[in-house]
Amino acid sequence: AQKVTQAQTEISVVEKEDVTLDCVYETRDTTYYLFWYKQPPSGELVFLIRRNSFDEQNEISGRYSWNFQKSTSSFNFTITASQVVDSAVYFCALRSGGSYIPTFGRGTSLIVHP
Amino acid sequence: GAVVSQHPSRVICKSGTSVKIECRSLDFQATTMFWYRQFPKKSLMLMATSNEGSKATYEQGVEKDKFLINHASLTLSTLTVTSAHPEDSSFYICSALDRIYGYTFGSGTRLTVV
Repeated sequence: AQKVTQAQTEISVVEKEDVTLDCVYETRDTTYYLFWYKQPPSGELVFLIRRNSFDEQNEISGRYSWNFQKSTSSFNFTITASQVVDSAVYFCALRSGGSYIPTFGRGTSLIVHP
Repeated sequence: GAVVSQHPSRVICKSGTSVKIECRSLDFQATTMFWYRQFPKKSLMLMATSNEGSKATYEQGVEKDKFLINHASLTLSTLTVTSAHPEDSSFYICSALDRIYGYTFGSGTRLTVV
């Protein structure tokens, strides 16, 4: 069985603050893939990143960075210098190697105030 | 990157009528597509996995006679909500599995049954 926990239901920050969204996963497979998606108020889900279980290297893309720690089964997402446009619901997802079906966390609603 | 087009984006229908939602992969072939339902401020609930050329696999609790899924080609899957009722009002979103990007999502369909 696979499970994704996003313990933070809602986070509220002021513009320019850094914010970290937590994601903890569970799987028995040694091969798996982790994802982050952004869902702005318009509704569409925007792909942000995919990481496979064999690549623990952290990644930075502009103001976004991801910290993958297999030891703690976490794949946290940090937004540096947050902006109002970052306001959205962010979903973490897991796909185990033996399945095509992804498991999504419940999402974290990020509100960035001007 | 991979693009999935979902149509319509919004639909209002009368109770008892049927509504068809289309999901197309524009620049890749998708043998597997997924249909999700999302309630307000909730996570994505997988309804069914659609496989090209075969019957869809429905998740427990999803009525297959009510939510008809057809995946007749490698680029098109359709979801038909039959005899819609107000409780079927929701946000429906499809995704297609792409080898490079993982899961690419459509922009979603807001269904309102009056």
